[in-house]
Amino acid sequence: EAQVTQNPRYLITVTGKKLTVTCSQNMNHEYMSWYRQDPGLGLRQIYYSMNVEVTDKGDVPEGYKVSRKEKRNFPLILESPSPNQTSLYFCASRGYGGPQHFGDGTRLSIL
Amino acid sequence: GENVEQHPSTLSVQEGDSAVIKCTYSDSASNYFPWYKQELGKRPQLIIDIRSNVGEKKDQRIAVTLNKTAKHFSLHITETQPEDSAVYFCAATEGSLFSGGYNKLIFGAGTRLAVHP
Repeated sequence: EAQVTQNPRYLITVTGKKLTVTCSQNMNHEYMSWYRQDPGLGLRQIYYSMNVEVTDKGDVPEGYKVSRKEKRNFPLILESPSPNQTSLYFCASRGYGGPQHFGDGTRLSIL
Repeated sequence: GENVEQHPSTLSVQEGDSAVIKCTYSDSASNYFPWYKQELGKRPQLIIDIRSNVGEKKDQRIAVTLNKTAKHFSLHITETQPEDSAVYFCAATEGSLFSGGYNKLIFGAGTRLAVHP
């Protein structure tokens, strides 16, 4: 089954404790993205990747890092999380010229 | 960069009525406009999309229209049913879909549609 898998689905943590949200897709897609979703703001892109070792900033990259060492994986790293990063996060992938597929989301709470 | 505005933010209709959600965009180079439906607690799912070389696309009870000159596109849902209740997002590419594919997909803020039996 074609899918985008994120882990964990839920996480409560504390300010300053490094965390990583993993994302994996099994569709051999070139493009992957991370979004955060906040009430009234829609989906805002954090980072995107066009292929292995090629990444670029989206609209709200501050406080986040990503890496793309393998085509299927695109982890999101919060080196020093802060409460304003409490949000619902979605990973997405797509092939060239194709529609975007979203993962099931990760709800992060940073206290 | 691209800016996408979506209206209304909430929409309440009776079952069987039609619902229309409108979006405007700012980047004249945008050429791909998807619509996503997000049910409570779930991921956004693509319901229909349109490319700039067509003015209208229909899939059963759902249709999307695009006016490139005015830079707006709309989602039309006919014969609404309670299961259509969800948040709907429009989006537009920042730049062309085919300049290496779109790198940035800019979303509207969403419309919460409630269909009452």
